Amino acid sequence: GQSLEQPSEVTAVEGAIVQINCTYQTSGFYGLSWYQQHDGGAPTFLSYNALDGLEETGRFSSFLSRSDSYGYLLLQELQMKDSASYFCAVRDPGGSQGNLIFGKGTKLSVKP
Amino acid sequence: DAGVTQSPTHLIKTRGQQVTLRCSPKSGHDTVSWYQQALGQGPQFIFQYYEEEERQRGNFPDRFSGHQFPNYSSELNVNALLLGDSALYLCASSRGQGQETQYFGPGTRLLVL
Repeated sequence: GQSLEQPSEVTAVEGAIVQINCTYQTSGFYGLSWYQQHDGGAPTFLSYNALDGLEETGRFSSFLSRSDSYGYLLLQELQMKDSASYFCAVRDPGGSQGNLIFGKGTKLSVKP
Repeated sequence: DAGVTQSPTHLIKTRGQQVTLRCSPKSGHDTVSWYQQALGQGPQFIFQYYEEEERQRGNFPDRFSGHQFPNYSSELNVNALLLGDSALYLCASSRGQGQETQYFGPGTRLLVL
């Protein structure tokens, strides 16, 4: 089966840097995605890594190591609005149509 | 450019009833996927529709069924509701299948009493 592990909760202060880790076990692998979801809101796409290395998009960066089946999301210059749940996700290798398998999510709380 | 829309936003049903949820994909998108998200969990894939056919299905019973219309909008039907069906139901759309980036709607929160 496929599984993704990520911490359930992380707390950080405004202006700090936080890293949310994700390890995965899949029978096939295309890449690792990250989604953000505010309470009561829709998941929104943040980033996607298909190859090893770091992808940077503004204050957010995402890293992937395929050999370690590991990735992380790095959030810099934290703002209160970054308080949300963050999900890592992989494409179901058994499905050819792109459906996603999500981790259980990491709830990030940003304190003043 | 309208994003993904879903209706209704909230719904309360009782056990054994049937429910229909609706989704309009983002403009230009032709593929619709449905996910169930229980409280404190990540979304779980229910099924995906493309060209008005169910193309992929997750581990959900036959009580969950769907439909896609020629305008790409979609419905999710759940029969014989159980208490455990209480969840946020999310619709996601993409342009074509096999896309890594999916655009999610705000969801329908279903409560089964």
